[in-house]
Amino acid sequence: QQPVQSPQAVILREGEDAVINCSSSKALYSVHWYRQKHGEAPVFLMILLKGGEQKGHDKISASFNEKKQQSSLYLTASQLSYSGTYFCGTVDNYGGSQGNLIFGKGTKLSVKP
Amino acid sequence: DAEITQSPRHKITETGRQVTLACHQTWNHNNMFWYRQDLGHGLRLIHYSYGVQDTNKGEVSDGYSVSRSNTEDLPLTLESAASSQTSVYFCASSNRDNEQFFGPGTRLTVL
Repeated sequence: QQPVQSPQAVILREGEDAVINCSSSKALYSVHWYRQKHGEAPVFLMILLKGGEQKGHDKISASFNEKKQQSSLYLTASQLSYSGTYFCGTVDNYGGSQGNLIFGKGTKLSVKP
Repeated sequence: DAEITQSPRHKITETGRQVTLACHQTWNHNNMFWYRQDLGHGLRLIHYSYGVQDTNKGEVSDGYSVSRSNTEDLPLTLESAASSQTSVYFCASSNRDNEQFFGPGTRLTVL
């Protein structure tokens, strides 16, 4: 089953924060986050493995709540370069470390000056 | 630098024609994937391969086929193109940590 992302779209001013959520009906092994700018390929951001770890780089971080089968992506002090569509991809427990990703439909983030 | 490339970048074809989209990666990754991306659907898996001579069907494999004769290439063939196959196609490969790296995409239009 395809994970559900929310919100579908969000508009921010530079410097504002945003949270993007990804929810699955299946028990998950891992959650992957990607960003895609208009007309370009998706670019890998990070992977979170089951165990509830939180990861981040720069001002983008993420958490994974294994029990709730949810992940959240946190963008703090947003910059114009953060604009794009964010996708979560999930691997269920059956797939394990090399399981195939099932992607959500994406969240379109627009950062305005 | 290692990379993943796709060709052609744009293709217009007619209904019923056979079309092959090329994907080439120089990372020496065993795992390779083909996705299609349509508005409102996100990325959907067409076929995937875990190594030479290995191919598997994904979520939306009907009308598509792949072959893997070497590590670097995974061509995608549309046996008889249909208008419903108009889409943007992305090839990807993944490393041992299952991080996927995407090619630039091929925009296919079937008239």
